[in-house]
Amino acid sequence: GAVVSQHPSRVICKSGTSVKIECRSLDFQATTMFWYRQFPKQSLMLMATSNEGSKATYEQGVEKDKFLINHASLTLSTLTVTSAHPEDSSFYICSASGGGQGVNEQFFGPGTRLTVL
Amino acid sequence: AQSVTQLDSQVPVFEEAPVELRCNYSSSVSVYLFWYVQYPNQGLQLLLKYLSGSTLVKGINGFEAEFNKSQTSFHLRKPSVHISDTAEYFCAVIKAAGNKLTFGGGTRVLVKP
Repeated sequence: GAVVSQHPSRVICKSGTSVKIECRSLDFQATTMFWYRQFPKQSLMLMATSNEGSKATYEQGVEKDKFLINHASLTLSTLTVTSAHPEDSSFYICSASGGGQGVNEQFFGPGTRLTVL
Repeated sequence: AQSVTQLDSQVPVFEEAPVELRCNYSSSVSVYLFWYVQYPNQGLQLLLKYLSGSTLVKGINGFEAEFNKSQTSFHLRKPSVHISDTAEYFCAVIKAAGNKLTFGGGTRVLVKP
């Protein structure tokens, strides 16, 4: 099956710093990648959708200047949380689709736990 | 817009007993349906999916689900659970012509010995 990785798996940072999370499709070309946020004991909330080589489309209520998404290649997307604050602490999950991997199917990464002190 | 409702937020069940997780959806267009499992501090793993054809879908780890168009449901079942099935389960839909998943609120399954 298609494999998606995320790095780092956990990150702790100080308030005011920026953090970059990488999402990679390891064995297929991901034309579209998605970024989700998940609070404890809650469902996944879609933050943004990105297509390779174009600007990301953000969901309503998600600050695009705070959550910078780059999808520079068919195998890599990055999410940068700028000037992080404690309320940005969450579990961030990416998913990827495309490359003939199945009808509209998304393959999920293992997630990144961000803790902002 | 579509929506997904998982009727049970938590389901405690004894080991080797059957379990059913309920999922209902609402959509004005054709959708595809998915069930995912999430173990603690991990991403989502696909259990099974319904795209078309037979309404009874078999997935991994002994799970199966039945698509019922008239009742707009896609309930997940397993005839005999193991301790290792303790996890969070998410039902999700996607428009047949779209690419965004809409998730239900999740059902936490706790398997007791």
